[in-house]
Amino acid sequence: QVQLQESGPGLVKPSQTLSLTCTVSGGSISSGSYYWSWIRQPAGKGLEWIGRIYTSGSTNYNPSLKSRVTISVDTSKNQFSLKLSSVTAADTAVYYCARESSDTAMGYWGQGTLVTVSS
Amino acid sequence: SYVLTQPPSVSVAPGQTARITCGGNNIGSKSVHWYQQKPGQAPVLVVYDDSDRPSGIPERFSGSNSGNTATLTISRVEAGDEADYYCQVWDSSSDHYVVFGGGTKLTVL
Repeated sequence: QVQLQESGPGLVKPSQTLSLTCTVSGGSISSGSYYWSWIRQPAGKGLEWIGRIYTSGSTNYNPSLKSRVTISVDTSKNQFSLKLSSVTAADTAVYYCARESSDTAMGYWGQGTLVTVSS
Repeated sequence: SYVLTQPPSVSVAPGQTARITCGGNNIGSKSVHWYQQKPGQAPVLVVYDDSDRPSGIPERFSGSNSGNTATLTISRVEAGDEADYYCQVWDSSSDHYVVFGGGTKLTVL
């Protein structure tokens, strides 16, 4: 059973870069034809998709965040990562990593990690 | 950009049927996925590709999709079904990206 776990700083200062890592267990990140996504959710609000990466390294990003987002994959560590630059308080949210299981449906999710942007 | 519209809330008595809609321009031409999210938990996929259920999801959860509306139907609603529900599609019309609906809070009376 695939499991995902987010990790990274819980507090980031405004204007800095938010960096998170998702560690995959229970299977190799490079096996199969899957996309690996990042999604976020501000407190009390809905889900916002940030972007995704294929094991080949190809990416898709939310147009509203594209200029600030970089998603990368490290197959040797079985991890993929998120970098979000120039953060503001509006980027405060629970960040989830997920794996698509069928035709863009995300069947596997991490538990989520809260990132607060504050000085 | 593609927009998915969900009602903010739906209420239903236990044992009854809940229907949660997800509106979008010609959404019937897209594959729609549905997620259940309980407080403090990660979302769980309950229906994918309009009407398929992942293993472990009760048959009470079903989906349909036609025209401009997709619908998640929960039959014989239980107290444990109370949660937020989100629809999701892949928009390949211009930019290629995942779109979520705004979410619907299902209240079991």
